Amino acid sequence: KAGVTQTPRYLIKTRGQQVTLSCSPISGHRSVSWYQQTPGQGLQFLFEYFSETQRNKGNFPGRFSGRQFSNSRSEMNVSTLELGDSALYLCASSFGSSGEKLFFGSGTQLSVL
Amino acid sequence: LAKTTQPISMDSYEGQEVNITCSHNNIATNDYITWYQQFPSQGPRFIIQGYKTKVTNEVASLFIPADRKSSTLSLPRVSLSDTAVYYCLVGERNNQGGKLIFGQGTELSVKP
Repeated sequence: KAGVTQTPRYLIKTRGQQVTLSCSPISGHRSVSWYQQTPGQGLQFLFEYFSETQRNKGNFPGRFSGRQFSNSRSEMNVSTLELGDSALYLCASSFGSSGEKLFFGSGTQLSVL
Repeated sequence: LAKTTQPISMDSYEGQEVNITCSHNNIATNDYITWYQQFPSQGPRFIIQGYKTKVTNEVASLFIPADRKSSTLSLPRVSLSDTAVYYCLVGERNNQGGKLIFGQGTELSVKP
């Protein structure tokens, strides 16, 4: 079984731009959650989607948004990028509720210049 | 949501047993305790999950006392490849979803 796939692996953007990151969960998994990881703040929960519906949301500004498609693939978008958005963005999938075992992708390393 | 507290860092030597304790004083009745391992530039990897008493799998054991306000991850006979950050999480398992909050993690350094 293929693992969680995140694309792209690396991304460089400039302030003010917007970016879209993609996540393909493990086949059969219906829950996808997103995390931001920085050296200073650690792993922070962004949001979770289940069957195309956002079930939970972390404490991030509205510039951070996401969606999930009918095939469970998910995208997250960050608009009006700021320097502080530079981070490793991780996607995790699970079959059902997010209390279950999560399978993480290798992440997208975003650098905002 | 239960907050977790772990030691920031730990050092060990190859072949030793390592025990990492996590405090979660406000754990709720429906919360499970889960541990993840993370290597640099990779996503966290599931190690073990438990609700009470003791759970053991091929890589680790998890000890949870009766009051469930703490838990201890035990890694038997560590090797250099066990050098990583270990996260303790407390979260609710239900069909309505739930946030999983990662603490600051414990950076384990295994020396030869």
